[in-house]
Amino acid sequence: DAGITQSPRHKVTETGTPVTLRCHQTENHRYMYWYRQDPGHGLRLIHYSYGVKDTDKGEVSDGYSVSRSKTEDFLLTLESATSSQTSVYFCAIRGDRVGELFFGEGSRLTVL
Amino acid sequence: SQQGEEDPQALSIQEGENATMNCSYKTSINNLQWYRQNSGRGLVHLILIRSNEREKHSGRLRVTLDTSKKSSSLLITASRAADTASYFCATVGNRDDKIIFGKGTRLHILP
Repeated sequence: DAGITQSPRHKVTETGTPVTLRCHQTENHRYMYWYRQDPGHGLRLIHYSYGVKDTDKGEVSDGYSVSRSKTEDFLLTLESATSSQTSVYFCAIRGDRVGELFFGEGSRLTVL
Repeated sequence: SQQGEEDPQALSIQEGENATMNCSYKTSINNLQWYRQNSGRGLVHLILIRSNEREKHSGRLRVTLDTSKKSSSLLITASRAADTASYFCATVGNRDDKIIFGKGTRLHILP
C-alpha cells in the first residue's frame, strides 16, 4: 500500500460548475502527478508537482489548475467543468529511490 | 503528442504462450517503465529499465530497450489467465520530470 488516496471517488456535476479533486499521500514523497484516462487515449499527464508550491504543466493542462500548499496534498481544480472533462482522473506519487509511480484508485468525474 | 506508443493495441493469446508488446517513443529518455492495469483499477508498476541498460528481467517479465531505435519490448513468458490486463509503457525524459504514458496494449489470455 503506497499510502495514496483520492477523493471523491465518484462525482457527477453540471457544466460550468467548479470541481476540485484531492490527492493525499502519507509517505512524504516529493513528486505528485495528475493524469486523466479516456478510451483510446491511454493516460495523459495534466499537471505535476515537484515540491510544495512547485508545479508544472503536462500534456493536457488547459482548463485545469493545481495547488500544493503542503507535501501531502495535491489538488486538481476544474474552474468551470465542461463535458469534455468527463473522465477518470488518477493521482500518482513517485518513489524516491527507483522513480516508479504509485497510483491511487482513481476519481470518476461525469460532467453533464 | 504522447511520447510512448504501444503496439499492438490488443492481443489475444492462449494460456501458456508468450506475449510480446512493443513501445516506441520520440525523444531521449532517462528511463522507461512498464505498468499494468486491471480493469477499473489504478496502474501498478512492473519494471523500470534505464537508458544505459539493454535488458532486464523480473520473474516472468523480460524488458529490452534499444535507444538507437527508440523502442522497448515487454515479454511475458508462460502467460496465465491472471495476466489479462492492459499494459502501458511510460517514459521519463532527460530534461524534466514529466512521466508520459502511451495508449496501452490490451492483453487477453484465453483459457
